[in-house]
Amino acid sequence: QVQLVESGGGVVQPGRSLRLSCAASGFTFSTYGMHWVRQAPGKGLEWVTFISYDGSSEYYADSVKGRFTVSRDNSQNTLYLQMNSLRAGDTAVYYCAKDRADGYKTSHFWGQGTLVTVSS
Amino acid sequence: SYDLTQPPSLSVSPGQTARITCSGDRLGAKNACWYQQRPGQSPVLIIYQDSRRSSGIPERFSGSNSGNTATLTISGTEAVDEADYYCQVWDTATAHVVFGGGTKLTVL
Repeated sequence: QVQLVESGGGVVQPGRSLRLSCAASGFTFSTYGMHWVRQAPGKGLEWVTFISYDGSSEYYADSVKGRFTVSRDNSQNTLYLQMNSLRAGDTAVYYCAKDRADGYKTSHFWGQGTLVTVSS
Repeated sequence: SYDLTQPPSLSVSPGQTARITCSGDRLGAKNACWYQQRPGQSPVLIIYQDSRRSSGIPERFSGSNSGNTATLTISGTEAVDEADYYCQVWDTATAHVVFGGGTKLTVL
């Protein structure tokens, strides 16, 4: 069955960097686009970024563009999110999600999330 | 930027029909999907392409999308349906995924 396991979250000071990972299994990772979506404590869902199946296309929310970079290693079935210049407003649970591949950027399956806390 | 508006909350009694709306400019021209998020859990896709139920989702969940409004309908609402519900679209003009603010459904 599809499994997505995020890791790399933790407490980080403002201005510092952090890299999240998402280990995928149970499906052919190299044929699906992937999303990162975040949820601040007590708030709604906020899309962060999408990467195509082969990494040739990337899209970012305005709030993270220029600071965050999505990447993937299809040989390792792993998705990454490099987060630089972190701010307090980036504090959230970060979910990776498998795209449904229907052309409408639907997040078909979600991981359990990893918490990132940006605080001094 | 493209915006989706949902009512913050909705309350229904068990067995009643719950209708959760999602409004956006010419939303009917886009493909909407819906997610359910129970407390402390990850979101789950329940409806995609406006009205298609995701695998394993009960038949009491249905969706529609026309004009400026997409609607998630839960017929015969059960206590287990108490959750937050989010609509979402892909805005091709901005190449952004857009979520609605979410609706907290209370079944009492």
